Amino acid sequence: GEDVEQSLFLSVREGDSSVINCTYTDSSSTYLYWYKQEPGAGLQLLTYIFSNMDMKQDQRLTVLLNKKDKHLSLRIADTQTGDSAIYFCAEKYSSASKIIFGSGTRLSIRP
Amino acid sequence: NAGVMQNPRHLVRRRGQEARLRCSPMKGHSHVYWYRQLPEEGLKFMVYLQKENIIDESGMPKERFSAEFPKEGPSILRIQQVVRGDSAAYFCASSSVEQGNYEQYFGPGTRLTVT
Repeated sequence: GEDVEQSLFLSVREGDSSVINCTYTDSSSTYLYWYKQEPGAGLQLLTYIFSNMDMKQDQRLTVLLNKKDKHLSLRIADTQTGDSAIYFCAEKYSSASKIIFGSGTRLSIRP
Repeated sequence: NAGVMQNPRHLVRRRGQEARLRCSPMKGHSHVYWYRQLPEEGLKFMVYLQKENIIDESGMPKERFSAEFPKEGPSILRIQQVVRGDSAAYFCASSSVEQGNYEQYFGPGTRLTVT
């Protein structure tokens, strides 16, 4: 089946690392994504990882994939106030046209 | 290098009216996708189009909703006889042939309110 689960809220202190977690059910997923949505805005593609990779790093962002447990995480190092947003985990398998989204994790930053 | 463009950004319609939402893909992109986001939820796929063809409409409601992507001009998502439950944000995404359809870039969305 198709399902992507994520926790709804995360609060971190400015300067700390944020870790947003996600689980998916479709073992045939080929691409796994993290999108960022700021209030009233569209979705910004932050990063994606192919299912044959374990890790991908891009500046402050680190994506970890545990394919056995169908678990994906996004770590944001040195979290800043500009990182406040909703973060969507998503999956897609290669033969499909659609991307399947989780419900999003709202990240808030404490001073 | 303009991104995906959608208009209008906000649309208010009374129950029973028609809503037309437009999407211009990124330059060089020939694949268009429409998604709907209900309040406090993630995006749900509706339809995938290439120029003059509907490729996958598995997420489209069976009635009142239609989509097109003509040879010239933007893609249009049309909702006839809107109801309150149609109130949502509608996002368009586009991709190029070279990218396949795994790199989809999203527009800013049209927020439809049905009163």
